[in-house]
Amino acid sequence: EVQLVESGGALVQPGGSLRLSCAASGFRFSTYWMSWVRQAPGKGLEWVANIKPDGSHKNYMDSVKGRFAISRDNAKNSLYLQLSSLRAEDTAVYYCVTNMAQNKFDYWGQGTLVTVSS
Amino acid sequence: QSALTQPPSASGSPGQSVTISCTGTSSDVGAYNYVSWYQQHPGKAPKLMIFEVSKRPSGVPDRFSGSKSGNTASLTVSGLQADDEADYYCSSYAASNDFEAIFGGGTKLTVL
Repeated sequence: EVQLVESGGALVQPGGSLRLSCAASGFRFSTYWMSWVRQAPGKGLEWVANIKPDGSHKNYMDSVKGRFAISRDNAKNSLYLQLSSLRAEDTAVYYCVTNMAQNKFDYWGQGTLVTVSS
Repeated sequence: QSALTQPPSASGSPGQSVTISCTGTSSDVGAYNYVSWYQQHPGKAPKLMIFEVSKRPSGVPDRFSGSKSGNTASLTVSGLQADDEADYYCSSYAASNDFEAIFGGGTKLTVL
């Protein structure tokens, strides 16, 4: 059974930093693209970033480029998202998601809440 | 990249069919057969319902079907059931960067 468990969400001040983690199990983590998708409170879904299976290629949505960094550790079956220079508009539930084919977000974690507020 | 356009709400009675539209542009929905749909119940994570326009993952009932014409994709739910009441989001691949996925704003489906 595929399991994705996110952690690391917290209340952080504007300009602050945070690292989100996602522990994956139940599938061959090292062979799949992975994404982070976020959802602001009461709003829709927004793709944030993704990473190639070997970690050699990464893509980001425009508003987080230069502030967020996606990474993975295939030996630990783990995905990460480093968030920096946080803004109020980054407040959202962040989901760890498998990308088993183009634009196919197969499995989702339960999400972790990031709140940016002073 | 702008979000895909979905109606904010849709409704139908049990047993009826309802179709939700998702309108993009010739750079996303119209350009690629990589449209997917997600169901989200309140307080839960989204669930993949349709991928590559019309394919269903294992376990998704065949009451759910997808299609596309030009820049507009559609999700049809037939034989509506109470548990179908949820938010539905469409998504499309859009190669403005090396990879970019854009989502619609979501449609709240109410089973009357």
